[in-house]
Amino acid sequence: DIQMTQSPSSLSASVGDRVTITCRASQSISSYLNWYQQKPGKVPKLLIYAASSLQSGVPSRFSGSGSGTDFTLTISSLQPEDFATYYCQQSYSTPITFGQGTRLEIK
Amino acid sequence: EVQLVESGGGLVQPGGSLRLSCAASGFTFSSYWMHWVRQAPGKGLVWVSRINSDGSSTSYADSVKGRFTISRDNAKNTLYLQMNSLRAEDTAVYYCARVRGYSGYDFDYWGQGTLVTVSS
Repeated sequence: DIQMTQSPSSLSASVGDRVTITCRASQSISSYLNWYQQKPGKVPKLLIYAASSLQSGVPSRFSGSGSGTDFTLTISSLQPEDFATYYCQQSYSTPITFGQGTRLEIK
Repeated sequence: EVQLVESGGGLVQPGGSLRLSCAASGFTFSSYWMHWVRQAPGKGLVWVSRINSDGSSTSYADSVKGRFTISRDNAKNTLYLQMNSLRAEDTAVYYCARVRGYSGYDFDYWGQGTLVTVSS
């Protein structure tokens, strides 16, 4: 199975900050990497697919980059509604695996 | 509007069975692969199973293989997950999810989830 490791596991930041979350795969997954946002008690929401493609309706302050084993999700200017948990997910091979999540909290 | 509505969750004893359903609307259900993903209380997301558009191909996580069966009825626009030999570690919210582009493993729509609790 492909292991997905996110860092950091938690992060405190302020509104307006630029934030970067990293995801590392245990083997190359090309660009088969997706990012989801989940708020407490809510359903996961697809933000980025294929490493860098912005899902329809997602604000442009979200961006993704990377290929192979190392990927990043960047939020250019944090908004109050962005405080949530973020998961990366590899869609390269089954079993599909998710990172453990990064909890983004208000400083 | 795409909608996915799960049902069938509840409290079941270890070793018991449940069948989850996911009613789909707002899109051509028969054209899309569908998946089940679960999330234990306070934990992360775990992929469970997927089925292709006509139901002829399925795959499972090792943790549920041989115990869970995914199926679909395209005439009823409904996805199912038959869960047998349930264990405490199967306790989770179960989400059905639609793939973004007809096939694949990125999920653009999720149901609201149904809670399965396995406990004596």
